[in-house]
Amino acid sequence: GESVGLHLPTLSVQEGDNSIINCAYSNSASDYFIWYKQESGKGPQFIIDIRSNMDKRQGQRVTVLLNKTVKHLSLQIAATQPGDSAVYFCAETPRDSGGSNYKLTFGKGTLLTVNP
Amino acid sequence: GAGVSQTPSNKVTEKGKYVELRCDPISGHTALYWYRQSLGQGPEFLIYFQGTGAADDSGLPNDRFFAVRPEGSVSTLKIQRTERGDSAVYLCASSLLAGSTDTQYFGPGTRLTVL
Repeated sequence: GESVGLHLPTLSVQEGDNSIINCAYSNSASDYFIWYKQESGKGPQFIIDIRSNMDKRQGQRVTVLLNKTVKHLSLQIAATQPGDSAVYFCAETPRDSGGSNYKLTFGKGTLLTVNP
Repeated sequence: GAGVSQTPSNKVTEKGKYVELRCDPISGHTALYWYRQSLGQGPEFLIYFQGTGAADDSGLPNDRFFAVRPEGSVSTLKIQRTERGDSAVYLCASSLLAGSTDTQYFGPGTRLTVL
């Protein structure tokens, strides 16, 4: 079946460096993508989202890039801080027949460790 | 303001028992979602409510699982005849508008362990 997956299960960076977390998706019907951060013992926390009609979106210290040609999504975190240490999930959702995006399909996750 | 809350935070039960997991969504959110997260995996969709009705329950694994939201606010996920394979973290999320791309806000989850 179609799925969302990640290239790297773990990523270790030094504090202050930039981090890039990658995600591949295979459902060509997906038109809405979200990155979530999950800390140990907590639920996923929304970071940033992007629609398929865009290829880049920026937030505070984060940027999401979408390459529809190769079905690839990435999350860039600038000046990574120890508080950024967590598991990061990409999620996608296709638009249903009613025009709604609600059924999130999550990838496996990447563990980001920030070394002080 | 208060986020999504879930109770209990941990539930240990024996194989074959019945359990109920509760979710209190953010006040005013019309859409509510249940997901299940196994160790080392991303959350998997179970069911989606618009108001009181289950708009999509295609993710429920079998008929031992059932969820209700009788007044369009609090929801209860019910699992009958629990099996060891049901052990997971059950996450609840809510969003402001049903049928849109509104952000889904997640609760902390209930960790269910079936012995």
